[in-house]
Amino acid sequence: DAGITQSPRHKVTETGTPVTLRCHQTENHRYMYWYRQDPGHGLRLIHYSYGVKDTDKGEVSDGYSVSRSKTEDFLLTLESATSSQTSVYFCAISEIYNEQFFGPGTRLTVL
Amino acid sequence: TQLLEQSPQFLSIQEGENLTVYCNSSSVFSSLQWYRQEPGEGPVLLVTVVTGGEVKKLKRLTFQFGDARKDSSLHITAAQTGDTGLYLCAVPGNTGNQFYFGTGTSLTVIP
Repeated sequence: DAGITQSPRHKVTETGTPVTLRCHQTENHRYMYWYRQDPGHGLRLIHYSYGVKDTDKGEVSDGYSVSRSKTEDFLLTLESATSSQTSVYFCAISEIYNEQFFGPGTRLTVL
Repeated sequence: TQLLEQSPQFLSIQEGENLTVYCNSSSVFSSLQWYRQEPGEGPVLLVTVVTGGEVKKLKRLTFQFGDARKDSSLHITAAQTGDTGLYLCAVPGNTGNQFYFGTGTSLTVIP
């Protein structure tokens, strides 16, 4: 299995609070991705990174920001969490574009 | 509008039965991937198909890419309880760095 960890694995927070999710890889893969998974919508890309300090938006990026200061870490931040951001968040890594490896997910509940 | 339509959305069958699930689009793709996701875990890549009409086999799973590279099917022979999970198809975006996922087919194999 690819070495990908996500933390925390579960989080409950209140509307308006900031939240940061962490993705850590030990594979030295170039690309890292953040997705959210919701019933009826499948997996939707939030942001992705193609190198240290190089990031770009996905299809559902509003309300989210990311940072990648080291190859191994990709952080997803919700500046002010809303109930619509309750979801399961997955990090993925890739070295070549047609093969992604996913982390175990973070279940976030915003009350 | 969903780029990739997967059908059926839900499927419940008895162990030993055969089944086929579909991934359809009106767009042409350079490649298409199939993933399986078990409850509480991240998706795992099963196969990538790249050539129109291509057929790939993975034990009891047979994957086919449509001749026009707009659709794909996954056929499972003699389903087992271990096949239970969410089956997702995915395609690369125009830049090759992004991926778009279908909404998935949730398969339950009953013993």
